[in-house]
This record gives sequence, structure tokens and C-alpha cells, in this order.
Amino acid sequence: GAVVSQHPSRVICKSGTSVKIECRSLDFQATTMFWYRQFPKQSLMLMATSNEGSKATYEQGVEKDKFLINHASLTLSTLTVTSAHPEDSSFYICSATLGKGAQGYTFGSGTRLTVV
Amino acid sequence: KQEVTQIPAALSVPEGENLVLNCSFTDSAIYNLQWFRQDPGKGLTSLLLIQSSQREQTSGRLNASLDKSSGRSTLYIAASQPGDSATYLCATIQGHSGAGSYQLTFGKGTKLSVIP
Repeated sequence: GAVVSQHPSRVICKSGTSVKIECRSLDFQATTMFWYRQFPKQSLMLMATSNEGSKATYEQGVEKDKFLINHASLTLSTLTVTSAHPEDSSFYICSATLGKGAQGYTFGSGTRLTVV
Repeated sequence: KQEVTQIPAALSVPEGENLVLNCSFTDSAIYNLQWFRQDPGKGLTSLLLIQSSQREQTSGRLNASLDKSSGRSTLYIAASQPGDSATYLCATIQGHSGAGSYQLTFGKGTKLSVIP
């Protein structure tokens, strides 16, 4: 079945630095990838939709200059948290789908970001 | 705006019991519905995808039903095992005009504990 790999699984960084998270579809080409954020005991909140070769579409309230998304190929999307602050600490999960998502989604294993 | 509700928020059962998790949604204009499992600190694992034209899907001890007109889905787990302990999330899949792709809307999940 479809597999999505996400790295790193955990990262600790200092305030003011930037962190890059990678999301790869291993056995299929993902025209669309999605980035979610999950707060403790809450469900997933969609941050942005990433289409290969074009700019990401951000959800309302998500700062596009803060969370930079690049989808340079059909198998790789990256999320860069720029100038990280402690309030950016969270669990970030990516997902990928064939086509536009009507046939289901495959998720990565998530990245626990802690900003100190 | 779609709202997805899952009841109960938490459930504890002895091993071997059959159980039902409930999911309701406010907008019945969905394309598909997907059930996921999330283990603590991990990403999401897809369990079942039900297309809007289907009424149920089965995979092993899992059976998911969908009543689109009433905005309800259930996940039935037969002969529960301690390894089934996890948070179960349901998500509706709908068109998302802003991003030109389909989008998931998640419930907050049901945390299941199966006691040996």
C-alpha cells in the first residue's frame, strides 16, 4: 500500500532558529500533499495544501511566511518553520494522496517539534 | 462549514468485547469518509475508506458503516484486543474549492482502551 515517510520524528531547536520537516511518498507520486498541526488532545488542523510545482494554499490564520512549504517534486514536500518560537511547539503531520484526495489519504508518522 | 463529532470521547472495555464507535457530521455532501487509528505520539494509520455510494466496508475485525443522509458513520470492532488500544479518528472528505483538491475534516477522536 501507499507509504508516506516523514522526518525527523522529533526535533528540539532554539528560539529564533528554523527547522525543516520532510515528507516523502515512497511508492507513489503525490500530486497533492497536506500539512497538519495537532495540539495535545485535539484533532488535526489543516495548515496548508501543497501542490507539486505551484505555491501552497494556506488555511485562514496560518502565516505563510512563518510556515514555508515547498513541493519541488511529486514525491517530496517540505515544511520549514522559520524563526521558531515556543508557541510553535506542536506535533506536525503530513499526508499525501493520489490525484486530489477523493480516494483517501496516507499519513506520515509525524514530527514532534519542541522549541526551547 | 463541516463539523465532525465523535462519541464517546473515551471508552474502556475488557478484552474480547465487541464495541461501536460513533461519528456524526453536519454536512452530508461528502465524497467519502475515512477511519484512522492513531497511536500515542504517532501519525495516522488508515483503517477503512467508505465511498459515499457504499453503505459499509469491512477489513478483518473492523466494519465501518455509512448513512450519508443522516450524517452518521459507525466503526464496529469485533472481539477487541489490547493491541486495539489507540485513538480512532473519523474524517469526511469533501471538495475544497480554495485549494482545488479534496479536504479532510476530522473529529476529535475516541480514545479506546482495551483491558486485558
